[in-house]
Amino acid sequence: KAGVTQTPRYLIKTRGQQVTLSCSPISGHRSVSWYQQTPGQGLQFLFEYFSETQRNKGNFPGRFSGRQFSNSRSEMNVSTLELGDSALYLCASSLEAADRGAFFGQGTRLTVV
Amino acid sequence: GESVGLHLPTLSVQEGDNSIINCAYSNSASDYFIWYKQESGKGPQFIIDIRSNMDKRQGQRVTVLLNKTVKHLSLQIAATQPGDSAVYFCAEMGGSARQLTFGSGTQLTVLP
Repeated sequence: KAGVTQTPRYLIKTRGQQVTLSCSPISGHRSVSWYQQTPGQGLQFLFEYFSETQRNKGNFPGRFSGRQFSNSRSEMNVSTLELGDSALYLCASSLEAADRGAFFGQGTRLTVV
Repeated sequence: GESVGLHLPTLSVQEGDNSIINCAYSNSASDYFIWYKQESGKGPQFIIDIRSNMDKRQGQRVTVLLNKTVKHLSLQIAATQPGDSAVYFCAEMGGSARQLTFGSGTQLTVLP
C-alpha cells in the first residue's frame, strides 16, 4: 500500500505570495490532518478534513486554509506569505480519525524569502 | 534577530543497550497516545500507539508504558541500533477536539 504523498517536497516563495501544498492520503483513508513544524514551535496542528469537511481547526490565522476533495486528497493554502511561515508542512492520513493511527508524509519544506 | 529553537532533551546510549524515552502530558482527558520517530529530513514515522484503557503495549523491539496516575508515557527500545538514532515524539489526544498534540521531542543518539 502506498504511503502518504506530499507535493512538492521543496518550495521557495517570496513574502506576500501565496502557496498551495498537496497531500494524497493512504488509499482508503478519509481523514487528513495538516501540521506545521518549526524549530521554535515544534509540531503544531493546523486543521483536519474528513469527508470534504473541516472537522477540527488549530490556532492559526485565516491566511491558512485547506480543502479536501471527494477522493480524500487534500490541499492547504497559505496566502500573503510571511517570513515566519517558513517551516516543514506535514500531512497525516488516518482511516477515520487520528485515534486509529495517524501516518505522516515526508512533508513540504517551505522557505519564504 | 536570533531564533530560539526548542531545547530538545537528548539521550545517548551504547549500541546494544536498551533505551528509555520519557514523555509527560498534562491533559487528564487524554485517552490515546502515539510514539513517532523522525529522522532528519523525513516526516514522523508511526512506531506504536496505546489507548488509556491499557498500561502497556509491545511491538517489535519497542514497548510503550502508560502511567495515567502521574500522566507519564515512556517508550522502551530494546537492543538499540544505530538506525534508531532520531528524534522521538510522543503525541496525545483527548477531549472533544480529536486532534493530536505533540511533545517537543527527544533526540536519541546511538553510540558505536
